[in-house]
Amino acid sequence: AQSVTQPDIHITVSEGASLELRCNYSYGATPYLFWYVQSPGQGLQLLLKYFSGDTLVQGIKGFEAEFKRSQSSFNLRKPSVHWSDAAEYFCAVGPLYNQGGKLIFGQGTELSVKP
Amino acid sequence: GAVVSQHPSRVICKSGTSVKIECRSLDFQATTMFWYRQFPKQSLMLMATSNEGSKATYEQGVEKDKFLINHASLTLSTLTVTSAHPEDSSFYICSARRSVGATTEAFFGQGTRLTVV
Repeated sequence: AQSVTQPDIHITVSEGASLELRCNYSYGATPYLFWYVQSPGQGLQLLLKYFSGDTLVQGIKGFEAEFKRSQSSFNLRKPSVHWSDAAEYFCAVGPLYNQGGKLIFGQGTELSVKP
Repeated sequence: GAVVSQHPSRVICKSGTSVKIECRSLDFQATTMFWYRQFPKQSLMLMATSNEGSKATYEQGVEKDKFLINHASLTLSTLTVTSAHPEDSSFYICSARRSVGATTEAFFGQGTRLTVV
């Protein structure tokens, strides 16, 4: 079955601290992986995506993610968190053979940032 | 960049009435659009795939007669929630698929908060 799991529902980090949000997926075909961020009441903004090449992907706002095929993981990281990073983060997987097609989302991780 | 606009951003309607939500790709043509639903503090669940000029494809468990989708042009898809009830209250988000050369990507609208009272 196709699925995306984000084990952490809520994470709190101090401003300036490093961040890692976990994502594991189960997908039959070659996956196209995404991380999105959602502010309250807003739509989704793409942070980064991966389907081939260097397994460490750089995104916007200083985020990066590392694809590990052996672990079926695509964890999101940021070296130093800013208060404005507080939001909901979603990992998603889509079909590489049908790019831009329907996505399967994880349940999301809510990030809170302490001053 | 690619822009997808949803309208309205918020709507409150009475139980039993119908509500139409629009999803527009402002600067590109989208033969395919997707409609997602998001309950509070939960993930996005795909409701249906909207194809220009043809019938939408609904995901299992989604009532097609309740959630009417029309994709009459390459830049507009609409979702109509018919005979809305309080349990239909949710956040609805669309995405539009854009192809440029060999790259295809989906872009999301800002979402519509529907409250049925």
